[in-house]
Amino acid sequence: GQQVMQIPQYQHVQEGEDFTTYCNSSTTLSNIQWYKQRPGGHPVFLIQLVKSGEVKKQKRLTFQFGEAKKNSSLHITATQTTDVGTYFCAAQGGSEKLVFGKGTKLTVNP
Amino acid sequence: DAGVTQSPTHLIKTRGQQVTLRCSPKSGHDTVSWYQQALGQGPQFIFQYYEEEERQRGNFPDRFSGHQFPNYSSELNVNALLLGDSALYLCASSLAAGAGTYEQYFGPGTRLTVT
Repeated sequence: GQQVMQIPQYQHVQEGEDFTTYCNSSTTLSNIQWYKQRPGGHPVFLIQLVKSGEVKKQKRLTFQFGEAKKNSSLHITATQTTDVGTYFCAAQGGSEKLVFGKGTKLTVNP
Repeated sequence: DAGVTQSPTHLIKTRGQQVTLRCSPKSGHDTVSWYQQALGQGPQFIFQYYEEEERQRGNFPDRFSGHQFPNYSSELNVNALLLGDSALYLCASSLAAGAGTYEQYFGPGTRLTVT
């Protein structure tokens, strides 16, 4: 079945540093979604990328979808303590089923 | 506008028992998906319901079954519980295919502990 690899598994940064998490699939994706889950919470939708090479920004967050639609990244500029949580990519192949990566757990040292 | 609600919040069951979890989708949504999230892992897709029928299923045994009602709410049933079924069970609602977005709204989850 479809698998999504996400790296790194953990990332610890000092407040103000940048952070990036990467998501890779062996198959071409119809779209990719990103979610954030705060400790003790549930996944919250951040964004959906659909087009090859697409780049979307949300304030300090930049999302990219690879040209081959097999990989994606989330970059946070100048992290803040409110960015703490686990970031998941979730991929859709030919069906509507979402396949989640294992997530990248971000901790921020104030 | 109520978001996705799930009940109960927490549940403790014994091995071999059966459990039913409930989910009410976000207002206006007609599709419900269920996920199992083990500690430290990403959500794993169990199945999806649309128009009261199971539309897709992940790699879960037949012990996991579900139902969707005419008002779009849904239930997840797990029979013959195993210790490994202990997890956070998440319900997510969305609009059906063709709506232009597959964004899923997750509920707060039900924490199931099997002893």
